[in-house]
Amino acid sequence: IAGITQAPTSQILAAGRRMTLRCTQDMRHNAMYWYRQDLGLGLRLIHYSNTAGTTGKGEVPDGYSVSRANTDDFPLTLASAVPSQTSVYFCASSPGLADTDTQYFGPGTRLTVL
Amino acid sequence: GQNIDQPTEMTATEGAIVQINCTYQTSGFNGLFWYQQHAGEAPTFLSYNVLDGLEEKGRFSSFLSRSKGYSYLLLKELQMKDSASYLCVRFDSNYQLIWGAGTKLIIKP
Repeated sequence: IAGITQAPTSQILAAGRRMTLRCTQDMRHNAMYWYRQDLGLGLRLIHYSNTAGTTGKGEVPDGYSVSRANTDDFPLTLASAVPSQTSVYFCASSPGLADTDTQYFGPGTRLTVL
Repeated sequence: GQNIDQPTEMTATEGAIVQINCTYQTSGFNGLFWYQQHAGEAPTFLSYNVLDGLEEKGRFSSFLSRSKGYSYLLLKELQMKDSASYLCVRFDSNYQLIWGAGTKLIIKP
């Protein structure tokens, strides 16, 4: 693994189903983030984690949950998917929360909820 | 993105210079990033400004005026591979990034 990876690359999901998007980084970064990107809108933060064992809510957390059991992994779970959650999801990580800490992004997961 | 304004789309010619402007809400402002995003790919870091002035990095330069809530990204000697979206991103006092919707730059030969 080099950098930050996400799985799956894309997924079509029936409404009401549960889905977990996986994110793993091998850079030993403390901070990790989940964003969604919708056409015409900027990236919107869903949840974040400052360090292993802690998580926080971003701008659009409803319908999503996260966990941070260790430094490397930061899965995002949709408990009961709805069509409005159709989006491209990006996971990112940064060394910390300082303003100089660049965020590094995974390749994204394209999710379609029908 | 909330409180960040940048043009939706711009067109420029290969070899030319283009300036992409961004205005943002100044309250709670800590710094300004620019990211590049090619279609279907993840954003990648271009520049970061926290002090007023121009930061030059090869063909790309970024300018910041904190008092005016204004930044621009300047791309010189445009190449076809520069066709991408350019995202203006404000780092706020809550240690979060506020992302603009991006400017789609189209380069024509």
